[in-house]
Amino acid sequence: DTAVSQTPKYLVTQMGNDKSIKCEQNLGHDTMYWYKQDSKKFLKIMFSYNNKELIINETVPNRFSPKSPDKAHLNLHINSLELGDSAVYFCASSQGAGESDTQYFGPGTRLTVL
Amino acid sequence: AQRVTQPEKLLSVFKGAPVELKCNYSYSGSPELFWYVQYSRQRLQLLLRHISRESIKGFTADLNKGETSFHLKKPFAQEEDSAMYYCALSPASGGSYIPTFGRGTSLIVHP
Repeated sequence: DTAVSQTPKYLVTQMGNDKSIKCEQNLGHDTMYWYKQDSKKFLKIMFSYNNKELIINETVPNRFSPKSPDKAHLNLHINSLELGDSAVYFCASSQGAGESDTQYFGPGTRLTVL
Repeated sequence: AQRVTQPEKLLSVFKGAPVELKCNYSYSGSPELFWYVQYSRQRLQLLLRHISRESIKGFTADLNKGETSFHLKKPFAQEEDSAMYYCALSPASGGSYIPTFGRGTSLIVHP
């Protein structure tokens, strides 16, 4: 099944913990993204990688560190989780990094920090 | 800086009624605009883009540069159109881009 997949789907953890969210795409795309959707449904880009290189890094705390072991994977590691990190995180991919490239989204990971 | 505004958080209509989801943008250059949709329990997916000038699932959207708007319209709403709709702007910036999404409008179509 060709798609963008994320694991886990739900993640509940305590403040101060370190956690990772994994993303994989088998669409053969060169570019992958991480978005954060907050409680008000705002969808904001966090990072973008093109061919395993970071090309977009928005104003995100250093506690968030993306890692791209290969073109098909972009993982998000979060250190010292805070209550405000609770959100739905979406991974996406596109063929290229241009403005016309359609993005394909994963199902999202709902992170709850207690 | 670019900005996308979706003034309505919630739009509630009856089946068969016309629908217009508003989107206004702010950007100094020539943007590319998209509408994304997220149905209940499904992933976010592209609905349509202005350069394609297409109609998807009966929805159309026209880019009005004078009014800086990209409203999404459908003449007769169906119950299955109930979903969260996001307007997105994609400017070009040195070969890569930083997409901006509106806050989303929840469309509820009543039977």
